[in-house]
Amino acid sequence: NAGVTQTPKFRVLKTGQSMTLLCAQDMNHEYMYWYRQDPGMGLRLIHYSVGEGTTAKGEVPDGYNVSRLKKQNFLLGLESAAPSQTSVYFCASSYSQGTYGYTFGSGTRLTVV
Amino acid sequence: AQSVTQLDSHVSVSEGTPVLLRCNYSSSYSPSLFWYVQHPNKGLQLLLKYTSAATLVKGINGFEAEFKKSETSFHLTKPSAHMSDAAEYFCVVTLYSSASKIIFGSGTRLSIRP
Repeated sequence: NAGVTQTPKFRVLKTGQSMTLLCAQDMNHEYMYWYRQDPGMGLRLIHYSVGEGTTAKGEVPDGYNVSRLKKQNFLLGLESAAPSQTSVYFCASSYSQGTYGYTFGSGTRLTVV
Repeated sequence: AQSVTQLDSHVSVSEGTPVLLRCNYSSSYSPSLFWYVQHPNKGLQLLLKYTSAATLVKGINGFEAEFKKSETSFHLTKPSAHMSDAAEYFCVVTLYSSASKIIFGSGTRLSIRP
């Protein structure tokens, strides 16, 4: 029972480098989300998807892109990393619009130097 | 506009004593409310949820929360704290009609004294 799996778990990038974070869920959930968690700020929504082939902007989308080519995968891309993107990133999925709660991955700790 | 306020950034209790983590929300519509727990270096785990059924909601590990519409509160309680309860707790409010209207509180760190 994997639930939501995020890879990698840790990464250090240099400013200007690019990378992709992968989120995979095996629960057949329609909705998927990417959040970032920063001290004292809770979780903030970066982008989300309401189904395969769809994406939408959340609260803090600048500097990130996403793709949902397959229902079970939701990719978060950083084209040119900046130190302000140092954070812990969480992926989540939900069956509906979140009425029944969300399942979270264990997070990716990203440091941009 | 929706918002959620966790009134305490840090709560410390002795093992075996009651726990109270406070959450107030603001929503123009009937919200869904959740409490999540995050242990160090882990993801978020759902403790309990309120989705317009019973106002007293029971969750995992002995936690419960009461939805009080008149007070716009959804406080989390537990009768007797255990050392394993030490973690960060997040109150979350969602607007049913929108996938993007998911608001997290800033979190309450719960410490348990032996």
